[in-house]
Amino acid sequence: AQSVTQLDSQVPVFEEAPVELRCNYSSSVSVYLFWYVQYPNQGLQLLLKYLSGSTLVKGINGFEAEFNKSQTSFHLRKPSVHISDTAEYFCAVSDHGGANNLFFGTGTRLTVIP
Amino acid sequence: EAGVAQSPRYKIIEKRQSVAFWCNPISGHATLYWYQQILGQGPKLLIQFQNNGVVDDSQLPKDRFSAERLKGVDSTLKIQPAKLEDSAVYLCASSLAAVTEAFFGQGTRLTVV
Repeated sequence: AQSVTQLDSQVPVFEEAPVELRCNYSSSVSVYLFWYVQYPNQGLQLLLKYLSGSTLVKGINGFEAEFNKSQTSFHLRKPSVHISDTAEYFCAVSDHGGANNLFFGTGTRLTVIP
Repeated sequence: EAGVAQSPRYKIIEKRQSVAFWCNPISGHATLYWYQQILGQGPKLLIQFQNNGVVDDSQLPKDRFSAERLKGVDSTLKIQPAKLEDSAVYLCASSLAAVTEAFFGQGTRLTVV
């Protein structure tokens, strides 16, 4: 069985400060990990994904995430946030490489304060 | 390239009424998904189509929810009769295949009163 835990439901951060959004997962099979962003009144947009290879994954809008198998984590980071990064962020896990069987966490609302 | 189109964007109905949502996936995408996103929760898969066949509907409440994808393109999701707990955003997504990236529509926000 798969599950995803996003440890923080809300993260406020000042503009240009760094941010880390935490995600832990559990899976009994091979795991593929994703981060999606949801802007207000919009659908989900893929930020980045880990399928295999390098554990440091770079995505769009300056975000990156590191897959840590021993800690079963896939935390999302950005060194300097902008107002436009204010959104809901979802971590997801799949036992396939793509959209099949995606299981989402409950989300973290990132609020960037001017 | 046009994205996934959904309509309507918003819908308010009374409990026990019926409602239908429509989704037009990205052209050429064989796989189509319907997700339910309740406020404060992550999206939950309701049903997955591969072309016009159902791949997974294990989490679809079949006593009240139904979905179809005639001709393997557009899809409709219906709720009949609606309950208060059906209030949620219904997201449609599509992908070239089940193992490739899914693209999401803007969703339909349903409020059942």
